[in-house]
Amino acid sequence: AQSVTQLDSHVSVSEGTPVLLRCNYSSSYSPSLFWYVQHPNKGLQLLLKYTSAATLVKGINGFEAEFKKSETSFHLTKPSAHMSDAAEYFCVVSDIRDTGRRALTFGSGTRLQVQP
Amino acid sequence: NAGVTQTPKFRILKIGQSMTLQCTQDMNHNYMYWYRQDPGMGLKLIYYSVGAGITDKGEVPNGYNVSRSTTEDFPLRLELAAPSQTSVYFCASSLGQGDSGNTIYFGEGSWLTVV
Repeated sequence: AQSVTQLDSHVSVSEGTPVLLRCNYSSSYSPSLFWYVQHPNKGLQLLLKYTSAATLVKGINGFEAEFKKSETSFHLTKPSAHMSDAAEYFCVVSDIRDTGRRALTFGSGTRLQVQP
Repeated sequence: NAGVTQTPKFRILKIGQSMTLQCTQDMNHNYMYWYRQDPGMGLKLIYYSVGAGITDKGEVPNGYNVSRSTTEDFPLRLELAAPSQTSVYFCASSLGQGDSGNTIYFGEGSWLTVV
């Protein structure tokens, strides 16, 4: 069975300081992993994805994430937060279910606040 | 650059009423999806389609129906609205199979309240 745990429901940082959004997953197979961002009243937008190539993945807007198989983690980071980064972030895992079909599982989300 | 467009954006329904959420995409994507997002939760897949004329159930299909008569359109039908269907609904599409690593593009959401 697969699952995704976003360890913080809310994260608050000051503008210009680093961002760390934590995600742990469980998977029976080699998963693909994604981070999506959702701005208020908007749809989800892909930030970055890991699909078994380089373990350090760079995405849009200066975000990156590192796939660590030994720790079953896929944490999202950014060196310096900007006010426009304030949004909800979702960690998503793509894995093979017990049915044999590949499917996506979404985490419950982390709301990032950026203080001026 | 329309992408995925869904309507209406907001709707209030009475228990037992029916309605259709419309979704259209202009990217010629084969795969289309309907998700629901409950407060404090991740998205759950309701139905999906791999091409015109082909649909299949997701994780939470009960109380919903879909059709895919064209590549562009993928409407979601609620036949007998229940309070448990109060949620935010997202339509999405992808060129290839989204859960195999292809990028999924989302609409802006439809807020539905059943009272």
